[in-house]
Amino acid sequence: GAVVSQHPSRVICKSGTSVKIECRSLDFQATTMFWYRQFPKQSLMLMATSNEGSKATYEQGVEKDKFLINHASLTLSTLTVTSAHPEDSSFYICSASRDTSNQPQHFGDGTRLSIL
Amino acid sequence: AQKITQTQPGMFVQEKEAVTLDCTYDTSDPSYGLFWYKQPSSGEMIFLIYQGSYDQQNATEGRYSLNFQKARKSANLVISASQLGDSAMYFCAMREPTGNQFYFGTGTSLTVIP
Repeated sequence: GAVVSQHPSRVICKSGTSVKIECRSLDFQATTMFWYRQFPKQSLMLMATSNEGSKATYEQGVEKDKFLINHASLTLSTLTVTSAHPEDSSFYICSASRDTSNQPQHFGDGTRLSIL
Repeated sequence: AQKITQTQPGMFVQEKEAVTLDCTYDTSDPSYGLFWYKQPSSGEMIFLIYQGSYDQQNATEGRYSLNFQKARKSANLVISASQLGDSAMYFCAMREPTGNQFYFGTGTSLTVIP
């Protein structure tokens, strides 16, 4: 069964809308979760590392005010795309892993975001 | 320098044949983990196989095996008896113990031909 649940799987909305994506770790408590963005035919691009109980760590070039991350519990991280515009349309995917080096990242099924 | 390099943007293989997807990595840490993921067109990332830097034997999981050559810093994925359902993007990834981050390669698109 799924280890990480991501919701919603698909969002289509108007420009200017804010969109919240949830990522839940189902099998273990995740102090750290990751948010990625993926363009067609490309690799995963790490956007930010979500840390439970503290501020997220954003990668260079990622706007903190545009992509709000909240990791309020050990099983839930949320990504909010604020005032979304067509250029924010993309595939967003989250992941979590246990804190040992031999453990894989477990991914959610991803969210396809389309801004009209 | 790139942490993970996948030099094959696209690969084709005949159904029932074996195929090798290349992956090289760069790290100065003696302890690390190497992973392969499959991403079908539906988008989900499916964990396939893991190889630890201290593992003496190559990892195997069903039709997947990892050709781990530590001195060359390569961790190639071998898929035996290819099936049509193996058509997907394949990503190689590395995890170092310092920090909690994974490094992903650019991926290889595999197409299995009937």
